[in-house]
Amino acid sequence: ETAVFQTPNYHVTQVGNEVSFNCKQTLGHDTMYWYKQDSKKLLKIMFSYNNKQLIVNETVPRRFSPQSSDKAHLNLRIKSVEPEDSAVYLCASSPLGYYAEQFFGPGTRLTVL
Amino acid sequence: QQQVRQSPQSLTVWEGETAILNCSYEDSTFNYFPWYQQFPGEGPALLISIRSVSDKKEDGRFTIFFNKREKKLSLHITDSQPGDSATYFCAASEAGGYKVVFGSGTRLLVSP
Repeated sequence: ETAVFQTPNYHVTQVGNEVSFNCKQTLGHDTMYWYKQDSKKLLKIMFSYNNKQLIVNETVPRRFSPQSSDKAHLNLRIKSVEPEDSAVYLCASSPLGYYAEQFFGPGTRLTVL
Repeated sequence: QQQVRQSPQSLTVWEGETAILNCSYEDSTFNYFPWYQQFPGEGPALLISIRSVSDKKEDGRFTIFFNKREKKLSLHITDSQPGDSATYFCAASEAGGYKVVFGSGTRLLVSP
């Protein structure tokens, strides 16, 4: 099956903890993204990687850090989570040169207590 | 600064009616406009898209109308079905650009 896979589906944690989310795509795409979707469904781009290299780094707090081992994997680590980090984190990928044709994973819902 | 605007924020139509979702943009360099459909608990999925060289794109019950001069576009869903109930995002990008700008979405509810 070719798609974008994310783990975990849900994560509940306390303020100040560290969390990591994983994303893998089996579509053979070169570009991957992390988005944050808030409770109002607003989509905000956080990071974009092209073949393991960071190409877009929007203004996000320094406690967020992406990690890419190869072009099929893009993980997201959040050090010392805060309540405003509660959201759905969506991973996406796109073919080279077709950056607006993105394929999204199902998302990881983070709740910070 | 919101570069892509969508209206209405939410829309309710009866089954069989035509739903019209509006989108406008500011940046003249945008030339590709995909629409995404998102169901609860899922990620957005590419539904239909249009390039600025065209003024209309049709795919089954879904049609995009594009007005380059006014920087406006709309998504028409004819014969709306309850299964079309979802959030629809208009997005914009420029050729070769890495960045895609998403609108704030329109929540569509189709009542049977």
